[in-house]
Amino acid sequence: AQKVTQAQTEISVVEKEDVTLDCVYETRDTTYYLFWYKQPPSGELVFLIRRNSFDEQNEISGRYSWNFQKSTSSFNFTITASQVVDSAVYFCALHTNAGKSTFGDGTTLTVKP
Amino acid sequence: ETGVTQTPRHLVMGMTNKKSLKCEQHLGHNAMYWYKQSAKKPLELMFVYNFKEQTENNSVPSRFSPECPNSSHLFLHLHTLQPEDSALYLCASSLRLAGGSSYNEQFFGPGTRLTVL
Repeated sequence: AQKVTQAQTEISVVEKEDVTLDCVYETRDTTYYLFWYKQPPSGELVFLIRRNSFDEQNEISGRYSWNFQKSTSSFNFTITASQVVDSAVYFCALHTNAGKSTFGDGTTLTVKP
Repeated sequence: ETGVTQTPRHLVMGMTNKKSLKCEQHLGHNAMYWYKQSAKKPLELMFVYNFKEQTENNSVPSRFSPECPNSSHLFLHLHTLQPEDSALYLCASSLRLAGGSSYNEQFFGPGTRLTVL
């Protein structure tokens, strides 16, 4: 069975704090793709990052960074120096070449000024 | 128009009505998706079309009927819905390589907020 778990339902931080959103996945496929999407209050999901199962290199993009660890089946997302505009629901997703698509239940991040 | 558009943005319908949701992508993609987003289950994949062929139907009730006439357009036909079908319906598209050897990110539309009375 394929599964994505985002254990944190809601997180609240104060502006400029760092925050990490956790994502743990399960799949029997050897080739798979992991994604993070952001859904701001306006409702439209926005793609943030994609990682292939054979590429464990971590990535940093501005204040965003991602830590992919196959050994623990985790793909965590860290926002450094959070801002109010980061407030949104963040979804972790898993897709496989077998055609299965699974999204986590999402983490609602609130950044207070 | 750019990206993925959905119409209408809001829809209120009775249980005996028949309506359709429309999605159009202007990105040259060849795969399209319907998702249901509700408070109970944040993001549920309903249907997948690859190269206009339906490749996934996640046990969706027959009162939801998808149609993909070409790679740019996707419809969701609705009939005899139930109040619990009220939700945000999201359309997405992506670029799939022939043979499905890769999986690219999906681009989402703004959604249709559906209320069933």
